[in-house]
Amino acid sequence: NAGVTQTPKFRVLKTGQSMTLLCAQDMNHEYMYWYRQDPGMGLRLIHYSVGEGTTAKGEVPDGYNVSRLKKQNFLLGLESAAPSQTSVYFCASSYGRSSTDTQYFGPGTRLTVL
Amino acid sequence: KQEVTQIPAALSVPEGENLVLNCSFTDSAIYNLQWFRQDPGKGLTSLLLIQSSQREQTSGRLNASLDKSSGRSTLYIAASQPGDSATYLCAVHLMEYGNKLVFGAGTILRVKS
Repeated sequence: NAGVTQTPKFRVLKTGQSMTLLCAQDMNHEYMYWYRQDPGMGLRLIHYSVGEGTTAKGEVPDGYNVSRLKKQNFLLGLESAAPSQTSVYFCASSYGRSSTDTQYFGPGTRLTVL
Repeated sequence: KQEVTQIPAALSVPEGENLVLNCSFTDSAIYNLQWFRQDPGKGLTSLLLIQSSQREQTSGRLNASLDKSSGRSTLYIAASQPGDSATYLCAVHLMEYGNKLVFGAGTILRVKS
């Protein structure tokens, strides 16, 4: 089991460029999440999905879009990157059906927008 | 809106000391509370999960307590080791659609040998 994997690990963009971050999980989890982590702050939820074909907004969704076309994959897109989107992005997944569920996290993608 | 606060923001202790990390949350309507560990440049690893009906959980040298009524949790680390050096994050699991987590900013722990 690879668990939760993220691609790429690092990326540098110029303002206005677009990119897609890929998250994949092999645990047959229904729920998937995208977070961002900034210095001195906890992880903040960007978007999440409760199943294939569904997505919903989290705490800080502006400037991002997501898609969940396959159960095992959750894509995060930046259409026009801004310096404020410089951050470390984490994907997570869980069964999502009970109060004992743990979210499993990927290793993160470090994104710098110049 | 649920807010999670962790104190202290950073802590440096000599090896062998027992220590306590604190977490507080503003809304007691939670499914559970989790403590995570994050090593530099890595993802998060779940350490302990306390369900809302429980008071504490233990795993090895770690003990986490939960007092929902006062909105507090503590993570106790016994006989600290240099390998315990990491950032410790507290997160509450909201009782709403999506089973979302709200995180604190974390406590950076350094255990000196």
